Amino acid sequence: ETGVTQTPRHLVMGMTNKKSLKCEQHLGHNAMYWYKQSAKKPLELMFVYNFKEQTENNSVPSRFSPECPNSSHLFLHLHTLQPEDSALYLCASSQESSSNQPQHFGDGTRLSIL
Amino acid sequence: QQPVQSPQAVILREGEDAVINCSSSKALYSVHWYRQKHGEAPVFLMILLKGGEQKGHEKISASFNEKKQQSSLYLTASQLSYSGTYFCGRIETSGSRLTFGEGTQLTVNP
Repeated sequence: ETGVTQTPRHLVMGMTNKKSLKCEQHLGHNAMYWYKQSAKKPLELMFVYNFKEQTENNSVPSRFSPECPNSSHLFLHLHTLQPEDSALYLCASSQESSSNQPQHFGDGTRLSIL
Repeated sequence: QQPVQSPQAVILREGEDAVINCSSSKALYSVHWYRQKHGEAPVFLMILLKGGEQKGHEKISASFNEKKQQSSLYLTASQLSYSGTYFCGRIETSGSRLTFGEGTQLTVNP
């Protein structure tokens, strides 16, 4: 139990579908992150939110749309995805988006695009 | 460009020691270390700030040499529970994003 909960754990969708990934943290943190983890590749930062404001977009395609309604919840809305988007999507949180703060990760959502 | 980790994989017998290295082509402000077991979330181990410090976490310790732009993770008297993939993450300057290496897969056998 890391204090960061992601749902669903697994998701299979077609390229024309629209779905959303959800992340909730119970740690009282103010910063939240989305990462993409593909096989044989490093963890790749996608988005950073600090106090509900987006502070980082790592050149992510617009078919991925993040939403942070409050400091405890983070969503990743998906539409018109491509097969290469199949990966493990990890959510993380930290006290603030400071370089000295450890990040706490959820177990991830395994996404498969048909 | 992400930090480079070596080795890519290592297999140990229980009780043996290992060293995992993390090198950066860019100046380092801090280095983070995480461990991820198969099918689980990455778990934070430690953060090292510039200054050549060494930190410890149980029998796992790490050093940070900012002149050489590298960090090393030391696992002593390894236990079965140490198995997993170890990632280093680099922060170039204060406030910049965390960039992870490709990971080192550690397997500890009985």
